[in-house]
This record gives sequence, structure tokens and C-alpha cells, in this order.
Amino acid sequence: DTGVSQDPRHKITKRGQNVTFRCDPISEHNRLYWYRQTLGQGPEFLTYFQNEAQLEKSRLLSDRFSAERPKGSFSTLEIQRTEQGDSAMYLCASSLDRVANTGELFFGEGSRLTVL
Amino acid sequence: AQSVAQPEDQVNVAEGNPLTVKCTYSVSGNPYLFWYVQYPNRGLQFLLKYITGDNLVKGSYGFEAEFNKSQTSFHLKKPSALVSDSALYFCAVRGMNRDDKIIFGKGTRLHILP
Repeated sequence: DTGVSQDPRHKITKRGQNVTFRCDPISEHNRLYWYRQTLGQGPEFLTYFQNEAQLEKSRLLSDRFSAERPKGSFSTLEIQRTEQGDSAMYLCASSLDRVANTGELFFGEGSRLTVL
Repeated sequence: AQSVAQPEDQVNVAEGNPLTVKCTYSVSGNPYLFWYVQYPNRGLQFLLKYITGDNLVKGSYGFEAEFNKSQTSFHLKKPSALVSDSALYFCAVRGMNRDDKIIFGKGTRLHILP
């Protein structure tokens, strides 16, 4: 399977614990996004990378959230000191972006977080 | 700042009838526009995109969308709806600046009635 893969698919944790999600994009894709989706809502932008550079992080995102893409390939999203309001589906997507053109996003199946 | 509006939470259409799912956007300069579909318990799937050129864009599963610059709209259409089209549909936009990101609307649930 050469699509976007996310791990773990499901994570149940207790409030206050740290969690980390991993995303492996399609190999030649230079752009990688993280979104958060709650039931019946659209994907909410969290952050994105162009290769290894983090271009923007949502101003709505607290300092408990951090993301990396160390070698411009896979990415991790860490949430520290989780709160119940962090419960959501965390989506990763990648695309091939070129000058004067933009590729569509390819999404993974998501990582569902439940904070008890 | 970029924004996307999908004014309808839900659209109901009888099978065989034409369908329209509305989307309007706000972005500096010219937009890149996208439609995605999400079936229950599945990831988002790309349907179609507008980059430049012909205002009518054709995509997967018989869907098409019309870009209207003066109305800043990008409505999704299909001439004849199928029950299997029932799903959640998302419109998305990004600007043409190199660092612009893709943002999504809140979604419209499409119900095709048999």
C-alpha cells in the first residue's frame, strides 16, 4: 500500500498523559498537513510542512501540541498533558506541490484519540 | 485570511434528480479549489479541483463543479443522483502564494432518497 498511513489508528488515554501520532506520507510528496476533525465537522487545520520546514501552526493550537518532520519524510504530532477536549480524529494528509500548481491532498485513515 | 463557507448542513435529493452542494470562498488573489467526499468510517477522498482554465471541472463518480469568480463560488453538481452518493462533502480552498495552506469548510451531508 503506497497511500498515507497513520499510527496508531486508535488511542485511549487518561487526562494528563502525553500521546504521539505518526504519519507516513506518500513517498514523493513534499507537503504534509495535520488536521483535527470532530464528529460531523470539517477538518480543522493544525499545522503543515513543506519538506522538513514547518510553515505554519494554527494560532488556535495550544503550546501542548507540537509537530515535527525531521527528514522531510514521516511526521509526528505530539500532544502533551492531554485534556478531554483533545478527543478527536487527527488526520494527516500529503500532497505534491510544485511552483504554479498544487496537488490535491491524499488523506490517511486518521488516528482517533479518546481522552478519559 | 482564507475562508470557506458551506451554507447547508444537509441536502436531500431524490434519486435520479440533479444535485447541487454549495460552496463560497474568500481568499487573496486567485484560488485553488477542491471538493472531497467522506463516507462513514472512511478517510476523505479527493473528487475534483480547480486550478485554472475552464470554469467547469469534471471529477470522479460523475461529479462536476463550476467556478464562478464574480460570485466567489465553487458549487458541486451532478446531473443524476445515486443513493450511493450519500455522504459528507467538503469544499476546500488555498491561495496561490507558495506558503498558503488548504483549509476546509464544515461540510454538507448529502442524503439521496430512493
